[in-house]
Amino acid sequence: DTAVSQTPKYLVTQMGNDKSIKCEQNLGHDTMYWYKQDSKKFLKIMFSYNNKELIINETVPNRFSPKSPDKAHLNLHINSLELGDSAVYFCASSQDRNSNQPQHFGDGTRLSIL
Amino acid sequence: AQTVTQSQPEMSVQEAETVTLSCTYDTSESDYYLFWYKQPPSRQMILVIRQEAYKQQNATENRFSVNFQKAAKSFSLKISDSQLGDAAMYFCAYRSINDMRFGAGTRLTVKP
Repeated sequence: DTAVSQTPKYLVTQMGNDKSIKCEQNLGHDTMYWYKQDSKKFLKIMFSYNNKELIINETVPNRFSPKSPDKAHLNLHINSLELGDSAVYFCASSQDRNSNQPQHFGDGTRLSIL
Repeated sequence: AQTVTQSQPEMSVQEAETVTLSCTYDTSESDYYLFWYKQPPSRQMILVIRQEAYKQQNATENRFSVNFQKAAKSFSLKISDSQLGDAAMYFCAYRSINDMRFGAGTRLTVKP
């Protein structure tokens, strides 16, 4: 069974569109994350939610809006997509927000903007 | 903000040999944890090893071990008896209660 699943795996769309990436974890974890990995493989945290509450909100354009309907789901909605948004987006989860907890990652969603 | 630096963009090792990947970090916090993650071509991020900053003893997981030098803020990963399946991007990560940072990664090639 997949622990952290993201859909879709690939997303190709045009500039200016609005798109969403969904993430679900079946590990019973309290904390979930969104990361962006650019073409140089640099991985940067965007958001983190703990029990549906936003706890980390890095400097990310407000076109990006995370939504956590329950602690098992953290979706990422992106408005007015730009070329620079092309990247692989990873969802992850951890048992809780404590620093010692490793994160379990999804397989990533490759977003390509035309 | 905390920074994590991996100074080796690429490394290569002969199969069955040992390789060390370096990582340094900068922080003013006292309570934090350090991780090494592996990202094979399949793209999935996989935890390799974890080190608690308050522990002096270096963490070990089978063929993987770390050399943690807290005063120097250094956290290197040693892979012994390298295998072809070890070929991947390796990321060093720093985590505290309110922060999570990754290094830029080191691409490891394993030569048969």
